[in-house]
Amino acid sequence: EAQVTQNPRYLITVTGKKLTVTCSQNMNHEYMSWYRQDPGLGLRQIYYSMNVEVTDKGDVPEGYKVSRKEKRNFPLILESPSPNQTSLYFCASSLTGDYGYTFGSGTRLTVV
Amino acid sequence: SQQGEEDPQALSIQEGENATMNCSYKTSINNLQWYRQNSGRGLVHLILIRSNEREKHSGRLRVTLDTSKKSSSLLITASRAADTASYFCASPDRGSTLGRLYFGRGTQLTVWP
Repeated sequence: EAQVTQNPRYLITVTGKKLTVTCSQNMNHEYMSWYRQDPGLGLRQIYYSMNVEVTDKGDVPEGYKVSRKEKRNFPLILESPSPNQTSLYFCASSLTGDYGYTFGSGTRLTVV
Repeated sequence: SQQGEEDPQALSIQEGENATMNCSYKTSINNLQWYRQNSGRGLVHLILIRSNEREKHSGRLRVTLDTSKKSSSLLITASRAADTASYFCASPDRGSTLGRLYFGRGTQLTVWP
C-alpha cells in the first residue's frame, strides 16, 4: 500500500531531551516535507526536501533539523525541544512538487 | 506570503445540501490543491487544478479556478454527514522553491444528518 509512515504517533518528552520523528515513504517520491499544525495557525511548513541531500527551510525552521540521506526517509530532529514545540506534526511526500501530496497520520508531540 | 485564505471559516449545512468553500491566494500559481482533514488525522489530497484549467470535477467535487481574481472554489454536491471535516486549499511556489507549499487556515464543514 502506498503510504507515508510517521513514528511515533504520540510522544511526551521533557524540555531539552533530543528526539527524532521518523518519516518514510514507499512511493519513490522526490519531494518530502514537514509541517506543524497548531490551533488557529493552520499548517506551517518547517522544512522541505526536493531530493536526496537537498533540503530547504519553510515558514518555521527554528529549533528543527532535517536530513535526507535516502530518498525514502526524511527524519525531523529536535535537538533541544521546548514547550513551544508542542504541536501536531505531519510529514508529506509528492512525486514532484507539482503534484498533490500524500500525508502521514501525524505525530502528536508534547514537550513538558 | 503566498498563503491561501479560505472562506468561510466554518460552514454548517444539512445532508443533501451543497457546500461551497472559497480560497483566495496572493501571487501567481502553477496549481492549486484542495485537501480534507478529519479531526486530528492526516490530510487527504482531494483534487488539484492547474493554472491553465478553469474547472475540474471528481465525483461529487467540483473545483473552479479564476486566476484573474486569484481565487478558487470547492463545491461538494449532495453533502453527507461523512463529509464533515476541515477543508484546506494549498498552493506551491514556482521555480526553484517548488517544494514550498502554502496552506490556508481551512474551512470547518459540519454536515448534519
